[in-house]
Amino acid sequence: SSELTQDPAVSVALGQTVRITCQGDSLRSYYASWYQQKPGQAPVLVIYGKNNRPSGIPDRFSGSSSGNTASLTITGAQAEDEADYYCNSRDSSGNHLEGVFGGGTKLTVL
Amino acid sequence: QVQLVQSGAEVKKPGASVKVSCKASGYTFTSYGISWVRQAPGQGLEWMGWISAYNGNTNYAQKLQGRVTMTTDTSTSTAYMELRSLRSDDTAVYYCAREITGTEYVFDYWGQGTLVTVSS
Repeated sequence: SSELTQDPAVSVALGQTVRITCQGDSLRSYYASWYQQKPGQAPVLVIYGKNNRPSGIPDRFSGSSSGNTASLTITGAQAEDEADYYCNSRDSSGNHLEGVFGGGTKLTVL
Repeated sequence: QVQLVQSGAEVKKPGASVKVSCKASGYTFTSYGISWVRQAPGQGLEWMGWISAYNGNTNYAQKLQGRVTMTTDTSTSTAYMELRSLRSDDTAVYYCAREITGTEYVFDYWGQGTLVTVSS
């Protein structure tokens, strides 16, 4: 099946900008969605489609895509943004339609 | 408000089956699909499969084909996920998640998760 690859860990200074990336062949054809997960909690959707934010998600979160790479950017990271972030998309390999998640990126806000 | 409320934690022996429920409220149940996603301890998210609450169509992850069955009961707005022939590596938190209509694999609401522990 298709894979989505994320850096395991990223850090950012408080108030600075950080980009979290997700690579995979399926991203050439399909948008990625991004989820934030804090310890002991269910994931929360933060970005989907071209660059859509669900209601209640701060506008410091934005998404973009180029080629086989999707990116989640946090502009002016806050302490509460420290969490695991997962991308997901549709698996484009083979004839069987499946969803696929990246391995996750642990974001530390310094 | 939209809510997905899942059944409680389960402990099962290897080879047994487990059935997790996900009761939806706050929206028209049959207008959305439901996916199931699991997360092994300390690991990432894994998509397990999807069911249409409108007509019951399903789509399962290939690695789980033959062991998983997803169903819905529209009279109670509840989705179910049954996993059979449990193994130790099925130990995980299992989530149900609502799929945004018109998208694929974009999940806007999630249940609170159900811990399934497989141990002899």
